[in-house]
Amino acid sequence: DADVTQTPRNRITKTGKRIMLECSQTKGHDRMYWYRQDPGLGLRLIYYSFDVKDINKGEISDGYSVSRQAQAKFSLSLESAIPNQTALYFCATSDSITPSQLHFGDGTRLSIL
Amino acid sequence: GQNIDQPTEMTATEGAIVQINCTYQTSGFNGLFWYQQHAGEAPTFLSYNVLDGLEEKGRFSSFLSRSKGYSYLLLKELQMKDSASYLCAVRDSGAGSYQLTFGKGTKLSVIP
Repeated sequence: DADVTQTPRNRITKTGKRIMLECSQTKGHDRMYWYRQDPGLGLRLIYYSFDVKDINKGEISDGYSVSRQAQAKFSLSLESAIPNQTALYFCATSDSITPSQLHFGDGTRLSIL
Repeated sequence: GQNIDQPTEMTATEGAIVQINCTYQTSGFNGLFWYQQHAGEAPTFLSYNVLDGLEEKGRFSSFLSRSKGYSYLLLKELQMKDSASYLCAVRDSGAGSYQLTFGKGTKLSVIP
């Protein structure tokens, strides 16, 4: 079983819809992250959390929100999806000892029509 | 802010050596990281450098020069399975959060 699990793996939806991407981990890590990856732009940080009560904006947080429901769960929401949010989304975790050694989930491919 | 630059694509022959360069500009450098990403898969951690010099890990080595804002990843005895994108990432301590900023990645194709 994967240590960092993302659901769904693929999603096609329409402009204006609300979408939630979920991430759960069994690694026991305290830090969790959401990145998006676009061709030619690389990985960009959306939000990150160091603790259940800690939420921080990343480089490109506009249009997104997150919820850290428990140490093991971190969800990403698009309140009103738009086509330029079409991308590959990755959840990642790390621990406080090696905070930059990220462990990524398998990704969610999101298409907004 | 940060600016990270690496070549978009490279091609090398099986069994050869290839060097993937990464240059960066950052306000508060606190480490440089390399990740490997096979097509359609998640990135995986390869190596990191905090101090100047060469770090060797099997067939892979990573070099850092902080004064030049320069790093490279050296892959020896190339194998077909090394065909992947290699992502350079810089950790910036300026904001106190030690977050990684990724370059756009170098797609390496290994040919027979």
